[in-house]
Amino acid sequence: AQSVTQLDSHVSVSEGTPVLLRCNYSSSYSPSLFWYVQHPNKGLQLLLKYTSAATLVKGINGFEAEFKKSETSFHLTKPSAHMSDAAEYFCVVSDPLSGGYNKLIFGAGTRLAVHP
Amino acid sequence: NAGVTQTPKFRILKIGQSMTLQCAQDMNHNYMYWYRQDPGMGLKLIYYSVGAGITDKGEVPNGYNVSRSTTEDFPLRLELAAPSQTSVYFCASSYSGGLSYEQYFGPGTRLTVT
Repeated sequence: AQSVTQLDSHVSVSEGTPVLLRCNYSSSYSPSLFWYVQHPNKGLQLLLKYTSAATLVKGINGFEAEFKKSETSFHLTKPSAHMSDAAEYFCVVSDPLSGGYNKLIFGAGTRLAVHP
Repeated sequence: NAGVTQTPKFRILKIGQSMTLQCAQDMNHNYMYWYRQDPGMGLKLIYYSVGAGITDKGEVPNGYNVSRSTTEDFPLRLELAAPSQTSVYFCASSYSGGLSYEQYFGPGTRLTVT
């Protein structure tokens, strides 16, 4: 069965410093992986997705993630944090065995705080 | 293009009351989904639909019902509200059920059952 683990429930950084949000997945197949962001009282927005093309995926707002099959990881990074990056981030894996629809399996989320 | 819209934004229900959460999308997506998000947890799928007239259960369907009479609308019905249904509910849609197709989410409905 597919699963995803976000290794940190909370991450705190200073504005202008790098961001690293860690995600490990478990899959018996080549997965599709996503990062979604949820700002307070808002819906989820897609940051980026990996679908078996380039292993380094660039997303919106300067975020990127690298798919590492040997480590079963899909960590999200950004070189320089901005105050507006403060939000909840979800690592998500698609389940290819769902048969008929795109079943998404969500991690528990990482809350990113950005300090001045 | 409004995307996925949900109403209401907030609601407080008493135990045993019923209500319908509304969801609509204007992107002509065939697939629609209902999720719930409990504190500190990822989203769990309640029900999904692959097209008008076709619905199926997700991971946590107990206590809920859905219908899909049009492509645009996918309401979620709570018949006998229970405190365990206190949660934030998200509706989503996607063009296809394929694994690489992203889902577009609405802003959510925050429901409290007391």
